[in-house]
Amino acid sequence: SSELTQDPAVSVALGQTVRITCQGDNLRTFYASWYQQKPGQAPVLVIYDKNNRPSGIPDRFSGSSSGNTASLTVTGAQAEDEADYYCSSRGISGYYWVFGGGTKLTVV
Amino acid sequence: QVQLVQSGAEVKKPGASVKLSCKASGYTFTSHYMHWVRQAPGQGLEWMAVINCNDGGTIYAQKFQGRVTVTRDTSTSTVYIEVNSLRSEDTAEYFCARDHSREETTWWFDPWGQGTLVTVSS
Repeated sequence: SSELTQDPAVSVALGQTVRITCQGDNLRTFYASWYQQKPGQAPVLVIYDKNNRPSGIPDRFSGSSSGNTASLTVTGAQAEDEADYYCSSRGISGYYWVFGGGTKLTVV
Repeated sequence: QVQLVQSGAEVKKPGASVKLSCKASGYTFTSHYMHWVRQAPGQGLEWMAVINCNDGGTIYAQKFQGRVTVTRDTSTSTVYIEVNSLRSEDTAEYFCARDHSREETTWWFDPWGQGTLVTVSS
């Protein structure tokens, strides 16, 4: 099992706000990054360095962290936000990296 | 713009080896580490290894140590991953991704290559 735990699936009504969480002891020390992956595509970075968005990522995506939990919030979810979302961080006991199991976001 | 272009799909028999490539462009190749991440069909992302593109130093996930080798060629700005003793469980999409980090507290991968599908089947 992964060092990072995510809910397998979350749904949100169109235009509403949804929070996707990622839990792990390493998140007490290291920040998480977040990736969006649509079917048949490579992952795309959406949040890094706690709460920074790469250029081109809409500002409805935001990140936060508290204790052992990192969160990705989508404020005003759009149909095109339907995707799998993965968190990632450095491993707790050395230089290796881990991903959460992924959360499938459905926009209804 | 920064771009990572990976080699094409491969079909291999169990026990064989495969070597994949990831060609970088649009930045100074030796200024960033490069990671390899794989994704089995219908599964999540799995971190495999990282290489220091400057000095060639590598770190492997414990699961892959001894069976995976990552190298780089600075003259062509290309990173390679070789997986030996392939088995059906190695069937996956393999991605390279450029490393970023800050102050030993945060790391992120951006951009990612388009992926290379490796199918292991007899």
